[in-house]
Amino acid sequence: DIQLTQSPSFLSASVGDRVTITCRASQGISTYLAWYQQKPGKAPQVLIYAASTLQSGVPSRFRGSGSGTEFTLTISSLQPEDFATYSCQQLNNYPRTFGQGTKVEIK
Amino acid sequence: QVQLQESGPGLVKPSGTLSLTCAVSGVSISSRNWWSWVRQSPGKGLEWIGEIYEDGSTNYNPSLKSRVTLSVDKSKNQFSLKLRSVTAADTAVYYCARYVLVWFGDSLFSWFDPWGQGTLVTVSS
Repeated sequence: DIQLTQSPSFLSASVGDRVTITCRASQGISTYLAWYQQKPGKAPQVLIYAASTLQSGVPSRFRGSGSGTEFTLTISSLQPEDFATYSCQQLNNYPRTFGQGTKVEIK
Repeated sequence: QVQLQESGPGLVKPSGTLSLTCAVSGVSISSRNWWSWVRQSPGKGLEWIGEIYEDGSTNYNPSLKSRVTLSVDKSKNQFSLKLRSVTAADTAVYYCARYVLVWFGDSLFSWFDPWGQGTLVTVSS
């Protein structure tokens, strides 16, 4: 199985901060990576697919980059509604796997 | 607007079978999509269980394959999950989701969207 390791696991930040989350894959997955946002008690929602393509309706402050084994999700200016858990997912190999998640909390 | 809704018992006894259904609305389940199940144990990350195509083709997570069966019911526009011989470790929120596959030029893009709201299944006597 392809392991996805996110860092950090927990992040404390303020409104307006620039935030970067990293997702590292245990082997190359090209750009078959998606990022999801999950709020407490809610289902995940896709933010980015194909490593860098913004899902329709997602604010442009979210940006994804990377290929191969290293990927990043950047929020350029954190907004109150962005406090949530973010998870990466690889869709290059079976079984599909997810990172352990990064919880973004208010400082 | 595509919507998915999970349903099924919220409590299952150890060694029993967990059975969930995902009702699909806004699109035909026969619309050349794969349909997935994902679970999330309390306080933990997401775990992919498996997926099924309209023709009944399946892919399963090897860690669960011996206990899982997915099926599709075109007449009801829904798909289902059965997980046998459950233990407390199977306690989780179970989500269904559509696995989207789209060709852009010569590149294949994929992601999970939308997801159902999720349903908590507790394994306990």
